[in-house]
Amino acid sequence: SYDLTQPPSVSVSPGQTARITCSGDILPKKYAYWYQQKSGQAPVLVIYEDNKRPSGIPERFSGSNSGTMATLTISGAQVEDEGDYYCYSADGSANNREVFGGGTKLTVL
Amino acid sequence: EVQLVESGGALIQPGGSLRLSCAASGFIVRNNYMTWVRQAPGKGLEWVSVIYSGGGTYYADSVKGRFTISRDNSNNTVYLQMNSLRVEDTAVYYCARGYSSGLEVYPQDWGQGTLVTVS
Repeated sequence: SYDLTQPPSVSVSPGQTARITCSGDILPKKYAYWYQQKSGQAPVLVIYEDNKRPSGIPERFSGSNSGTMATLTISGAQVEDEGDYYCYSADGSANNREVFGGGTKLTVL
Repeated sequence: EVQLVESGGALIQPGGSLRLSCAASGFIVRNNYMTWVRQAPGKGLEWVSVIYSGGGTYYADSVKGRFTISRDNSNNTVYLQMNSLRVEDTAVYYCARGYSSGLEVYPQDWGQGTLVTVS
């Protein structure tokens, strides 16, 4: 099966830039997506197709995908950005399956 | 306004069956990609299954042969029939409307989830 690897945790102070990475061999061929999940809530899409922001997502959220690594960047992270972040992409198989990364807990304090 | 409401979660014994429902409003289910994603307690998100607008269905290896995704166009509802349940199927199950980039189908709009406990 296909894996997307994320660091378990990232910690920054308010106002600093947070970067969360997602590595996978298939990423040069597929888009990366990012979801934010706060405690007890459903996930929210914050980046789609590598670097596009859905309506309502603050401009401080941005994404990139280069080689085998995708990166979610939060410029000027705020306390309310704390939560778990998951990358997502297609499985490399031909079976139209998708996969999430293991998730990264972002702490802003 | 797009809304997804899951139901059907319960406490069930290993080997049992359960059917989850996802009632949609604000859009037409048959014209969209509908996905089920689950999250075991304290764990990450796991993609489970998808039904395409054209009717194609796909499953994660962990549930293939045991779970079946379907939809009822008249009720604008998506279902996940879960058979031969295992302890490791314990999770919150989320229903989501998906979009296609042409390369992947990705969940965009999510329900609040329904808890399935196999014990």
